[in-house]
This record gives sequence, structure tokens and C-alpha cells, in this order.
Amino acid sequence: EAAVTQSPRNKVAVTGGKVTLSCNQTNNHNNMYWYRQDTGHGLRLIHYSYGAGSTEKGDIPDGYKASRPSQENFSLILELATPSQTSVYFCASGDAGLGSDYTFGSGTRLLVI
Amino acid sequence: GEQVEQRPPHLSVREGDSAVITCTYTDPNSYYFFWYKQEPGASLQLLMKVFSSTEINEGQGFTVLLNKKDKRLSLNLTAAHPGDSAAYFCAVSAPNNAGAKLTFGGGTRLTVRP
Repeated sequence: EAAVTQSPRNKVAVTGGKVTLSCNQTNNHNNMYWYRQDTGHGLRLIHYSYGAGSTEKGDIPDGYKASRPSQENFSLILELATPSQTSVYFCASGDAGLGSDYTFGSGTRLLVI
Repeated sequence: GEQVEQRPPHLSVREGDSAVITCTYTDPNSYYFFWYKQEPGASLQLLMKVFSSTEINEGQGFTVLLNKKDKRLSLNLTAAHPGDSAAYFCAVSAPNNAGAKLTFGGGTRLTVRP
């Protein structure tokens, strides 16, 4: 069954440490996205990708990097984690065409202390 | 860029009552509209997708209304039941959004009381 799988499900990191969130999709979708979800803000787009080797900045990219080494995998990297990055992170995949909806992963709950 | 405002942020209704959630958007070129449901601790699941040529769409127990003149999208859960308790998000896509990016509303936490 086609799916989007995120790992880890939960993560505790120390301030200043490096954090990598991973996402794998078996939908054969070209596009992948990283969102964070915070109370009162809904989902906000951090980075996205059109395909292997491409990454684009979303609406709130500061403090985050992304990597798309293959069609299936898309990582979100926090080089120097800060407490303000404590959040729930969702990865999604979607077709390239307009009107395409997303398939979401189960989310990663990140706590930066 | 596109901005989507969703109201209300919290909504509590009794079982059998209707529940209405509304989103307004800013980009007049917005063309595709989505509603997602997120149950507690879970991911987002697509509820309905609406295109520009559609004004009313009915699903299982709910109706989606689109008013492009007012740039307004609404989700009406008719005869809500406790299983409808969840967070609901609208999302909007515009033709000038390269890569089919969706802009999400802030969400509505719906509680249906027995």
C-alpha cells in the first residue's frame, strides 16, 4: 500500500544539537513537503521538493535545511536546534499537477530542551 | 502570497446538531480547495477536494460550499456525531503556486458532545 513514513515518531533534542527528520514515500509522487504544526498556526510550509536533487524554500525556512537524495526520500535537517523549533512536523507527498492533494505521514513530535 | 483564515478555532456542538467551519482566502486566482480531517494524535486525511467549477459538494454527512465571489469556503457537518470530533483544516491552491503548494488555514477543533 502506498504510504508516507516518517521517522522518528518522537524525538528529544538538546539546544544546539543537530536533528534529522526522515521521510520515505512509496507513492511515486514527484513532490514532497515538510510542514510544522503549531497550535493556532495550522500547518506552515518549511521546505518542499519537485524531485530528486531539488529543494525549495517554503514560507518559514529559517533554521532548517532539506535534502532530497532520491524520489522516495526527503529529509529535514535542523543544524542547530532551538526550543522554538519544538513542534510536530509532517511530511507529505503529492503529484506535480495543480489540484493534487497530499498524502501525509504520521508526524514527528520534536521537543528541543 | 495566499493567506487563509479559518474560523472558528474551536467549536463545540451537541450530537445531532450541525457544525459550520468557514475559510476565507485572499488570492482571487485560487482554483483548488481542500478539506482535511485530523483525529487526535493522527495524521491528516483528505475529506473532500473542490474545484473552481463546483459550488456545492456533498459527502457522507457533510456539505462543502464554495463562494468564489466572496472568496469563502465552508464545511457544514450535518447531524454531527461524536466520531466527527477532530481538527479540520481547509487548504487552498492557486495556479501561480508552483509545485501545487497548499496554503492551510489555522484549523478548527470540533468537539461533538453526546
